[in-house]
Amino acid sequence: AQKVTQAQTEISVVEKEDVTLDCVYETRDTTYYLFWYKQPPSGELVFLIRRNSFDEQNEISGRYSWNFQKSTSSFNFTITASQVVDSAVYFCALRLGRGSTLGRLYFGRGTQLTVWP
Amino acid sequence: KAGVTQTPRYLIKTRGQQVTLSCSPISGHRSVSWYQQTPGQGLQFLFEYFSETQRNKGNFPGRFSGRQFSNSRSEMNVSTLELGDSALYLCASSHGDRDHPPGEQYFGPGTRLTVT
Repeated sequence: AQKVTQAQTEISVVEKEDVTLDCVYETRDTTYYLFWYKQPPSGELVFLIRRNSFDEQNEISGRYSWNFQKSTSSFNFTITASQVVDSAVYFCALRLGRGSTLGRLYFGRGTQLTVWP
Repeated sequence: KAGVTQTPRYLIKTRGQQVTLSCSPISGHRSVSWYQQTPGQGLQFLFEYFSETQRNKGNFPGRFSGRQFSNSRSEMNVSTLELGDSALYLCASSHGDRDHPPGEQYFGPGTRLTVT
């Protein structure tokens, strides 16, 4: 069975602080994809990043960076110098690379990030 | 390129009624998935349609059904509404075929359903 755990329910930081959102996943498949989505108050899920299971290279995009470690089944997300506009719920998700559940995303429960000015 | 659109955005229904929600995927995308989001259960997968066929189904009762048309637009229907069906219903589109790697799913703005 597939499972995604985001242990942090809520995080509050002050603007300009760095913050890391944790994500731990479980799957027996060797081919899978990991995602992070942002959900602002408007409700729409906004895609942030996709990584496949064969590429453990960390990625940086502006103030965002992602650390993927297969050895610990983790895919953590760091926001550097946080801003008020980063306030949202962030979801980590897992998608298998093959099989009957190909089109399904398994989501974590989400982490509510609040950035105070 | 236009994004995923969902109609209506907000809906209020009473218990026992039925409701139909609509989703138009991104042009060229043939897979549409539906998710239910509630504070208690989080984001839960309902079903996925690809080329007018249901390809995958989550653990929801038979009151929840869907379909997909030849233009890839999809509808989901909930019959005999219950209070617990109040939720944000999100649809997502992707290519979904073997010619494209399993890429990201693009989500619509959702339909907020309130059952009273």
